[in-house]
Amino acid sequence: SAVISQKPSRDICQRGTSLTIQCQVDSQVTMMFWYRQQPGQSLTLIATANQGSEATYESGFVIDKFPISRPNLTFSTLTVSNMSPEDSSIYLCSVGVVEQFFGPGTRLTVL
Amino acid sequence: GENVEQHPSTLSVQEGDSAVIKCTYSDSASNYFPWYKQELGKGPQLIIDIRSNVGEKKDQRIAVTLNKTAKHFSLHITETQPEDSAVYFCAAATGNQFYFGTGTSLTVIP
Repeated sequence: SAVISQKPSRDICQRGTSLTIQCQVDSQVTMMFWYRQQPGQSLTLIATANQGSEATYESGFVIDKFPISRPNLTFSTLTVSNMSPEDSSIYLCSVGVVEQFFGPGTRLTVL
Repeated sequence: GENVEQHPSTLSVQEGDSAVIKCTYSDSASNYFPWYKQELGKGPQLIIDIRSNVGEKKDQRIAVTLNKTAKHFSLHITETQPEDSAVYFCAAATGNQFYFGTGTSLTVIP
């Protein structure tokens, strides 16, 4: 299994600001995934990030709100833009095509 | 698309008893069924999985069963311990598309 780290582990942000979350993997992977887990809820896929191409977003998520970068095969960032309290969630990155492994998550609180 | 339902949403058991969590899915094309354990403040961890060509899989105190005809699968934890307390998620997957259940909060009472 891959070892995945995320930064920051948690943050408290003001409404209207943006936060960039980093995800680092200890091995090269083709696909990386970003999920949102709202309080007490299940995991919802935001987008799939492939190195060298635009991220693919799921229904209900748009690039302007959640821009993603994938500069190499071990790293990705997710930005939560123009935040509102409704964006308060845990954001998780994961890797793996057949078996998915998750990072520790970034707990975001928007005031 | 796939719809995964998970029951119960909360479960309390006495230490040493067994715990069973059940999931159903709707898409017969789903062929991979993992279970994740999420402890407070951590990301989900894969604890066991089963593929569609297998009916049952066991790993020490944890077992998973799959009934493809009925489209349901279950997680069984025997001899529960306090450290088993966590939120458990099931998922059904086809390729790299994963669909997660709503989670079961398991509490093991010492």
